[in-house]
Amino acid sequence: HLQLQESGPGLVKPSETLSLTCTVSGGSISSSSYYWGWVRQPPGRGLEWIGSIYYSGSTYYNPSLKSRLTISVDTSKNQFSLKLSSVTAADTAVYYCARHSYYDSDAPFDPWGQGTLVTVSS
Amino acid sequence: SYVLTQPPSVSVAPGQTARITCGGNNIGSKSVHWYQQKPGQAPVVVVYDDSDRPSGIPERFSGSNSGNTATLTISRVEAGDEADYYCQVWDSSSDLRLFGGGTKLTVL
Repeated sequence: HLQLQESGPGLVKPSETLSLTCTVSGGSISSSSYYWGWVRQPPGRGLEWIGSIYYSGSTYYNPSLKSRLTISVDTSKNQFSLKLSSVTAADTAVYYCARHSYYDSDAPFDPWGQGTLVTVSS
Repeated sequence: SYVLTQPPSVSVAPGQTARITCGGNNIGSKSVHWYQQKPGQAPVVVVYDDSDRPSGIPERFSGSNSGNTATLTISRVEAGDEADYYCQVWDSSSDLRLFGGGTKLTVL
């Protein structure tokens, strides 16, 4: 069955760039049926959709993060990545990767990766 | 922008019925999904498209959606249902995927 796994540094300094990768196993990221997305959750708080990418490289982002955000895909490695620049303590969160339907905009996020905590601190 | 409003907490005794609401302007016109999140774990879909259940989710979990309120109902609540629950929709006007603030379900 499909599994997603986040990886990347757990500690990032303020003003630097947060970089994470999501590795997809048990299925192909090049499936035409799905978007691959990022969701984050600050400690003790709720969920926030960050953005999503299609295997072709087409992206759409949450406008609140768009100016600092880049999501990319590497189909040869079955991975997609997140880069968030100029981070502050407000970007401290558990970051999840998750899949959602390309053809059904109303579809839920399923499945999710286990999440990775990124702390922004000097 | 579109806002989803959930009560911060709901408490229920074992064996009773828990109802968790998600309010939004004309939310009945949208498809609502519900996620269960236990401490230290990723969210899991328990209800999608207002009232459908993924395979493996007990029939005790059900959903409804009408007017300005969507509701997740958990019947015969068990201790293992204690978790945070989030509603989620896609807002077509902004093309944003939005989550409610979450509701902590406590089993007394």
